[in-house]
Amino acid sequence: KNQVEQSPQSLIILEGKNCTLQCNYTVSPFSNLRWYKQDTGRGPVSLTIMTFSENTKSNGRYTATLDADTKQSSLHITASQLSDSASYICVVTSGEGGYNKLIFGAGTRLAVHP
Amino acid sequence: EPEVTQTPSHQVTQMGQEVILRCVPISNHLYFYWYRQILGQKVEFLVSFYNNEISEKSEIFDDQFSVERPDGSNFTLKIRSTKLEDSAMYFCASTRSGFSGQRLRSDQPQHFGDGTRLSIL
Repeated sequence: KNQVEQSPQSLIILEGKNCTLQCNYTVSPFSNLRWYKQDTGRGPVSLTIMTFSENTKSNGRYTATLDADTKQSSLHITASQLSDSASYICVVTSGEGGYNKLIFGAGTRLAVHP
Repeated sequence: EPEVTQTPSHQVTQMGQEVILRCVPISNHLYFYWYRQILGQKVEFLVSFYNNEISEKSEIFDDQFSVERPDGSNFTLKIRSTKLEDSAMYFCASTRSGFSGQRLRSDQPQHFGDGTRLSIL
């Protein structure tokens, strides 16, 4: 069964600190992996998209990694800010040929405290 | 920056009633989607729509659900006879896709609206 598992479920860090969020997936066939940020009461916003051949991709203070062999991804946030408080969702696109359905993880809820 | 807009932001409906959720995707986007998120749970795919027809749908998207693009700008999700368990946040998304040879490129970011909170009483 296609699944995306994220850890930790929630995380509290102090402003200015770094953190890393994890995503493991069992999805086949794999098309790409995305990280989204979802503020409370808002829709998800795309941070990064990585295909099979990409190991790392950055978007400002966000850096995502992908290990397609172990089916693991991480999202590293550098120098956290209060506005980073949100849910971070790992999403794997499965399938081939068409524009495929996205399989969502449950998210990691990050709280950045002053 | 262009946005996906959804209306209404909150819809309260009696069980058994029909409800239509509306979305205006980004104007030059070609693929449209509906997702739902039950409170406290993960986002779930419902349906994708391309070239005026459904391209994929999940097992959640049963005969009670339908989608339509009635004109050049709106994309709607209709729930024919709502049930209590339909209470959720419904997100519309769109993407600008293109073809690379025979295969549809799937590396385009999806742009989500801020959702409609549907409450069934």
